[in-house]
Amino acid sequence: AQSVTQLGSHVSVSEGALVLLRCNYSSSVPPYLFWYVQYPNQGLQLLLKYTSAATLVKGINGFEAEFKKSETSFHLTKPSAHMSDAAEYFCAYSSASKIIFGSGTRLSIRP
Amino acid sequence: GAGVSQTPSNKVTEKGKYVELRCDPISGHTALYWYRQSLGQGPEFLIYFQGTGAADDSGLPNDRFFAVRPEGSVSTLKIQRTERGDSAVYLCASSEGTSGSPPVYTQYFGPGTRLTVL
Repeated sequence: AQSVTQLGSHVSVSEGALVLLRCNYSSSVPPYLFWYVQYPNQGLQLLLKYTSAATLVKGINGFEAEFKKSETSFHLTKPSAHMSDAAEYFCAYSSASKIIFGSGTRLSIRP
Repeated sequence: GAGVSQTPSNKVTEKGKYVELRCDPISGHTALYWYRQSLGQGPEFLIYFQGTGAADDSGLPNDRFFAVRPEGSVSTLKIQRTERGDSAVYLCASSEGTSGSPPVYTQYFGPGTRLTVL
């Protein structure tokens, strides 16, 4: 079945540390992948999207993700975490106009 | 400009009651989507409209759920005979057009309506 799998429902990092949120996709998933962020009591916001162009995708707020076909991965990274990055992050793919979301990873930032 | 708005922000109802949830998309956006997000889960697709017509309603869980978009702008999600399992955050999104391959149009999400069925 088509899917994306987010490894780790909760990730905690120290402020200033590297952020790495993992996402693996099944090989049958169309190669159109997204990362969305959901801040508390706010709507989902698109961080970045991959649409078969450059494999390294840069998004907002200093985040980036690399599409690795050989590893079927689309991990999200940020070199230095800020307190404001604390939120829920969703990996997703597009299928026939609708978006299919992973189960999410909650990112906590330690002072 | 104004984003996607949803009303009410919170709705508490009793089992068996009827509820309506409203979505106001970004002005000019022709595509509108409804998703449902249960606690601890990612959003799940319910239905999307291109203009006034439902282009894909494959995500509606059963015939208690229905959505309309009569004038191609505002949409209402209607749930009949609510059940406790319907409790979730209902999200609406809109985009300038429907995303093909590759997906050109970004979906912009509203803040959601939190539905609680007692």
